Order: sequence, then C-alpha cells, then structure tokens
Amino acid sequence: EAGVAQSPRYKIIEKRQSVAFWCNPISGHATLYWYQQILGQGPKLLIQFQNNGVVDDSQLPKDRFSAERLKGVDSTLKIQPAKLEDSAVYLCASSRAGTDSSYNEQFFGPGTRLTVL
Amino acid sequence: KNQVEQSPQSLIILEGKNCTLQCNYTVSPFSNLRWYKQDTGRGPVSLTIMTFSENTKSNGRYTATLDADTKQSSLHITASQLSDSASYICVVRASSGTYKYIFGTGTRLKVLA
Repeated sequence: EAGVAQSPRYKIIEKRQSVAFWCNPISGHATLYWYQQILGQGPKLLIQFQNNGVVDDSQLPKDRFSAERLKGVDSTLKIQPAKLEDSAVYLCASSRAGTDSSYNEQFFGPGTRLTVL
Repeated sequence: KNQVEQSPQSLIILEGKNCTLQCNYTVSPFSNLRWYKQDTGRGPVSLTIMTFSENTKSNGRYTATLDADTKQSSLHITASQLSDSASYICVVRASSGTYKYIFGTGTRLKVLA
C-alpha cells in the first residue's frame, strides 16, 4: 500500500510569512496526526484527528497554527505568521484504528523541513 | 509527569559490533512501548511493540526488552550494519490522559566501516 504522502518536502520562508503543509494519509486510515520535530528532539504532537473531528489539539499554538481535515481524508497544517522557533520538521502520521486501540500503529510520512529566516 | 528518557544521546560503533540502547519511562497508566527507527530525512518506522505482559520482542537483528516493574526498555542491535545508522526513538503510549503518545528524544547511532 502507498505510504503517507507529504508536500512540500522543504520550505524556506522569512519570519512573519505564512506557510501551509499538506498530508495525504494511507487510504482507509481514520486517524491522522501532525507532529513537530525540532532538531535533536523527539516528535511533539500538535494535533490529532479522528476522521474529520479533532481529538487532541492541546499542544497546538492556536494563535498561529491551524489545521483542518475536510472530508476526513487529507489534511493541511498552516502557520501564520511564522516565527524563528517554528523551524523544524513537520511530520504527518496516520493509523488505521481508532484512538482506543492499544496496537494502533502510526505510519509516518517523510516530513516537511521548514526553515524560518 | 509522563516522560520518556533515552540513553545514550549518541553512539558510534564499528560495523559488525553489537550495541544496546536504553529507554526509561514514567508514563502511567502504561499501554504499550514502541521502538522506532528514523533514517535521516525520513519519518520514523516502527521496529517493535510490546505490551505490559511481554518482556522480549525480536525483529531480525533487533531485540527489544521490557521490564514493566522498573519501567525500563532496551533495544539490542546484533551484528550492526552501516544501514543501522539512524536515530532510534522510544515511544510509550498511555492508556488514558491527554498525551497518549510520549516520545523520547532518541539515540543517534552511527555505524562505521
């Protein structure tokens, strides 16, 4: 099966500009996650969708970050306006089962590397 | 506070040698623990998953252990290859609470010829 697709792979912007990332999960996967991975650190969950509903967005900086998953398939993550500290890799992941499954494996995309100058 | 700590932060070994990576966690209540391999410029890929009742799980040259009493896990790599050079991330899933997946910061492994 095809993996999780993300685009773009790389993005360089100046601070205060806006940027959007796109993710297409594995077909049939109900749950979609966006993570922020700063260099040298593990991924940090930004937002989790179950179909087109938000399950957890407690760590999403809502003053500048937004995400949507219309129709419960692909998703976009937007940053507006960007700050220097937003420089990171943004990973999208998807999983088949619902949030209550103990064996819920997440499959990750290749990520989008964002550099804010 | 739910935390996952990994050691060492980085490791360099010669091809063919074995190595062991450590993961200590304070996540409660515990559901399962995964080890991921993350190649440079790629997303993490799952190597093993273990629940409370499992104490050993193998995937080829990778063997993970879990001691749920001491809340420790290890990932042992046997006969290392150049392709094992990557970051290895320990992820613990809580069975309740807001932060269901708690990621460690990873161990960066470099295998030299």
